Amino acid sequence: DTGVSQDPRHKITKRGQNVTFRCDPISEHNRLYWYRQTLGQGPEFLTYFQNEAQLEKSRLLSDRFSAERPKGSFSTLEIQRTEQGDSAMYLCASRNQEHYGYTFGSGTRLTVV
Amino acid sequence: AQSVTQLGSHVSVSEGALVLLRCNYSSSVPPYLFWYVQYPNQGLQLLLKYTTGATLVKGINGFEAEFKKSETSFHLTKPSAHMSDAAEYFCAVAAPGNNDMRFGAGTRLTVKP
Repeated sequence: DTGVSQDPRHKITKRGQNVTFRCDPISEHNRLYWYRQTLGQGPEFLTYFQNEAQLEKSRLLSDRFSAERPKGSFSTLEIQRTEQGDSAMYLCASRNQEHYGYTFGSGTRLTVV
Repeated sequence: AQSVTQLGSHVSVSEGALVLLRCNYSSSVPPYLFWYVQYPNQGLQLLLKYTTGATLVKGINGFEAEFKKSETSFHLTKPSAHMSDAAEYFCAVAAPGNNDMRFGAGTRLTVKP
């Protein structure tokens, strides 16, 4: 068990480009979460999956954002037509259904220039 | 809805001194409460959690927190600070069965030699 892995660790992109991030959760965890963290703030909930089903989406998740977890294992978060306001750390976390206490990945830091 | 307020965005202590990081919560149902630590450019690591049972919860690295319902508080303490404790600390709250964990804005702990 290597924990929650996120790729890439850093991404710099030009405004208007699309970006995709990947999260590999702990294998036995059926719940997967995406959070966004801006400088000086705590993480904000974006969306969550139970197995392959996306069960909850925050109002923070605009139409430009889409997340998938096609086989109930890894997940991707895509941001289309990036804006400077999308610059943030994107954190993935996982847990199994019985236990609270999420395990977080190291995050993907996105910079939109 | 649940929310947390962390009192003091920055706390500075001397090495060997008591660490006290304050967290107050708001919840319409009995809450689950958490403390996480984040080192620079890293994800969040769970320090400890309260779900049910004993109100004094012990975590990793010598930290502990006490759930006080009457004060709606869940303050984090450590008897003796170590240089390696310097980091950002986040308090979080969730309602049982609700997957939207809400984080506070964080408290940056500095440890002076």
